[in-house]
Amino acid sequence: NAGVTQTPKFRVLKTGQSMTLLCAQDMNHEYMYWYRQDPGMGLRLIHYSVGEGTTAKGEVPDGYNVSRLKKQNFLLGLESAAPSQTSVYFCASSSSPSYTFGSGTRLTVV
Amino acid sequence: EDQVTQSPEALRLQEGESSSLNCSYTVSGLRGLFWYRQDPGKGPEFLFTLYSAGEEKEKERLKATLTKKESFLHITAPKPEDSATYLCAVRGGGATNKLIFGTGTLLAVQP
Repeated sequence: NAGVTQTPKFRVLKTGQSMTLLCAQDMNHEYMYWYRQDPGMGLRLIHYSVGEGTTAKGEVPDGYNVSRLKKQNFLLGLESAAPSQTSVYFCASSSSPSYTFGSGTRLTVV
Repeated sequence: EDQVTQSPEALRLQEGESSSLNCSYTVSGLRGLFWYRQDPGKGPEFLFTLYSAGEEKEKERLKATLTKKESFLHITAPKPEDSATYLCAVRGGGATNKLIFGTGTLLAVQP
């Protein structure tokens, strides 16, 4: 029982490159979330999903896209990476009242 | 707009020196106040959920309390292994179930 698994754990991108972060959960949770964490800013919600096939914008969605084709997976895409997207990205899933976080992806855009 | 403010930003304690962390919040229709612990390089780890004013929960040296405007995380006789960042979050009304986080308190306990 792995909980929430994020891949990759680390990545370095050049400005303008694209990539996809994968989040997988094995708890059959309906809700999934992508947050970014920056020093002094706390965790900020990028996008979220309330069920398979649904997505919605969070607090800081610009420059990101998401997809939830399968209930257990939530993908976060960066189409054209920018240095401002250097951050640590956390995925979470929930089935009220429990929230479980992954271990994070550290992304550096140079 | 839902908002969470944590204080202090950082706290340094000597082993055994008890103290409290504060989380003040404004939210429409509180459906839970959450405390998490986060170690360097790791994801947040769940500690407590509180739902109504007056509620208290304890786990080892930690005790969380809730009023209508704020929550406190009391740390009694802390040990160096309690060193971490402590995050507070609220879940408000609506069907999204999303959490709004504060910026955290970085706790360092020195032996």
